[in-house]
Amino acid sequence: TQLLEQSPQFLSIQEGENLTVYCNSSSVFSSLQWYRQEPGEGPVLLVTVVTGGEVKKLKRLTFQFGDARKDSSLHITAAQPGDTGLYLCAVNAGNMLTFGGGTRLMVKP
Amino acid sequence: DAGVTQSPTHLIKTRGQQVTLRCSPKSGHDTVSWYQQALGQGPQFIFQYYEEEERQRGNFPDRFSGHQFPNYSSELNVNALLLGDSALYLCASSLRMTGPGNTIYFGEGSWLTVV
Repeated sequence: TQLLEQSPQFLSIQEGENLTVYCNSSSVFSSLQWYRQEPGEGPVLLVTVVTGGEVKKLKRLTFQFGDARKDSSLHITAAQPGDTGLYLCAVNAGNMLTFGGGTRLMVKP
Repeated sequence: DAGVTQSPTHLIKTRGQQVTLRCSPKSGHDTVSWYQQALGQGPQFIFQYYEEEERQRGNFPDRFSGHQFPNYSSELNVNALLLGDSALYLCASSLRMTGPGNTIYFGEGSWLTVV
């Protein structure tokens, strides 16, 4: 069993649609991070959420940390082809990252 | 300001051979970590180097070893290669400090194929 379970594993949508991906765990975390990895690249940090119930927005991306700090979600509004990539949640302990399995998103024009 | 650079970008090795991958961290960073990312999966932590010593290690066998040099660059060595070692190997650099304010930066990775 992975520490972080991400769902769905794959998502293929049309440009303009909205979507939500999830990161769940039975453990409580002091913070949680979201990364995006594009083909041929390494992961890039999008956001760190720290407080239970916290909501952070990054343009069309909205990140939420669960009240109990066990789960998080990423919502994308009006998805664009440039949003295509692998979305990873991770916990950071002493600069050691533990990643979930990722959600692979494809946005078709 | 150069980011994290890795070499080579792609390589093919035969089972049983040895491989060395190289990483230069982002300017000003002193901590280097290595991750293995199998196709379709999230990256898995191999080990972390700081002050030229291995500080943390993930669940990887002793065939995986590393080194950090005085200029903070690092090498990952894998001996007795297995088919299952085929993966993208990512180098990550950061400052030694911990906490949400410390951003970890990744290189583009080295694709290793074992045949």
